[in-house]
Amino acid sequence: DGGITQSPKYLFRKEGQNVTLSCEQNLNHDAMYWYRQDPGQGLRLIYYSQIVNDFQKGDIAEGYSVSREKKESFPLTVTSAQKNPTAFYLCASSMGQAMNTEAFFGQGTRLTVV
Amino acid sequence: AQSVTQLGSHVSVSEGALVLLRCNYSSSVPPYLFWYVQYPNQGLQLLLKYTSAATLVKGINGFEAEFKKSETSFHLTKPSAHMSDAAEYFCAVSDWDSGGYQKVTFGTGTKLQVIP
Repeated sequence: DGGITQSPKYLFRKEGQNVTLSCEQNLNHDAMYWYRQDPGQGLRLIYYSQIVNDFQKGDIAEGYSVSREKKESFPLTVTSAQKNPTAFYLCASSMGQAMNTEAFFGQGTRLTVV
Repeated sequence: AQSVTQLGSHVSVSEGALVLLRCNYSSSVPPYLFWYVQYPNQGLQLLLKYTSAATLVKGINGFEAEFKKSETSFHLTKPSAHMSDAAEYFCAVSDWDSGGYQKVTFGTGTKLQVIP
């Protein structure tokens, strides 16, 4: 089945540690996105990428980093510089070639700092 | 940059009653608009999308939305609420960024509660 796989579903991190969230898609989509979801704030865009080896900062990129070495993969690293990393993280992808193409989402990773 | 505003973070309706979830967009050009649904601890699922082919858009699970340019609105409706409709709903808009890349921006969401 085609889709987007995020792993792990739940992740615990100690303060001061970097952690990487995985996102893989087999939809052959060009565009991939990372969003952060907090209660009452909707989805806020962290990073997005339209092509391999290229990505753009979203609205809340500070404290995060990404890479796009392969079309199907877009991992997100939450660094120790992110002051409030506990949140639900969602990865999405779309064809990216036209504005009317919808985004498809993974099941999310819930990150908790302990 | 385009944005969407969802009025009402929580909406409660009785089972069988009309569902109306509000979304207004900020754009001087025809936008590309979407409605998504999210169940607890899950990703988002597309309900419907507006692509300028028709102002009334029908989606899955009996939902529909009407694009009204004069009101800059794209409200989501369903004639009769079902218990399974209880979820969080997001309005979203697709735009190009300064580099010509697609960027999808979401509203803050509306949680729908359905009362038996």
